[in-house]
Amino acid sequence: KQEVTQIPAALSVPEGENLVLNCSFTDSAIYNLQWFRQDPGKGLTSLLLIQSSQREQTSGRLNASLDKSSGRSTLYIAASQPGDSATYLCAVNRDDKIIFGKGTRLHILP
Amino acid sequence: GAVVSQHPSRVICKSGTSVKIECRSLDFQATTMFWYRQFPKQSLMLMATSNEGSKATYEQGVEKDKFLINHASLTLSTLTVTSAHPEDSSFYICSAKWGEAFFGQGTRLTVV
Repeated sequence: KQEVTQIPAALSVPEGENLVLNCSFTDSAIYNLQWFRQDPGKGLTSLLLIQSSQREQTSGRLNASLDKSSGRSTLYIAASQPGDSATYLCAVNRDDKIIFGKGTRLHILP
Repeated sequence: GAVVSQHPSRVICKSGTSVKIECRSLDFQATTMFWYRQFPKQSLMLMATSNEGSKATYEQGVEKDKFLINHASLTLSTLTVTSAHPEDSSFYICSAKWGEAFFGQGTRLTVV
C-alpha cells in the first residue's frame, strides 16, 4: 500500500530565505508526482508535475526534484515571500489513484 | 490549464437530509473523476472513482449507499451525501485528469 510522508509537518521561516520541503513515498512504481498548494479552506492549486521519467521541474521560484528509486521528492522555494504561506501537499499517482501526504504548513514571517 | 468547477463551495444542512455536490470539467471531457474528503489538518483521502456510464469504485471503508456517485456525462459527476450526520461534516474535493490532475475548489459541508 502506497504511503506518502511529508516532513516537516510545519515550518516557519523569515521572508527571503530559501527552503526545502520533503516528500517520501513507499512504492516507487508511480506514474508521476505532483506538488500542490492549499490555502486555508480552499481547494488545491497545482504547482509542479513531475513524470516518473523526469528528475526535476521548475516554475519560477519553485523547483521540484524526483528520485523515484529512493522514493523521494523535494520542493525547493527560493527567496520566500509572505504570500507563499500555505499548506503544500505532495501527491503520487499510480493506476489513476492519487495518494496525498498530510502536507507541510508553511508560514513565511514578514 | 484545464478547469474543474465544483458547486456549491459551502453548504450547511440539517442532520438527516441529503446534499448533492456537483463537479464539472469545463473545457475537457473526463471519463473518470475522483472524489476526496479532507478532515481538519488531515490529508485528502480518496473516497471513490467516478466512471462515466458505469458504477463508481469505492475505496475501502467508504459506504457506497451513503455517498452516492453519479457520472452521467463526460463533464459532470455528482456526489450525494445521503442522510447526512454531523460526522459527515468535512471538506469534499473532486478532481478530473487531463494529463495531470485538476481539482475543483472544494465544498465545505457542515451538518448541524
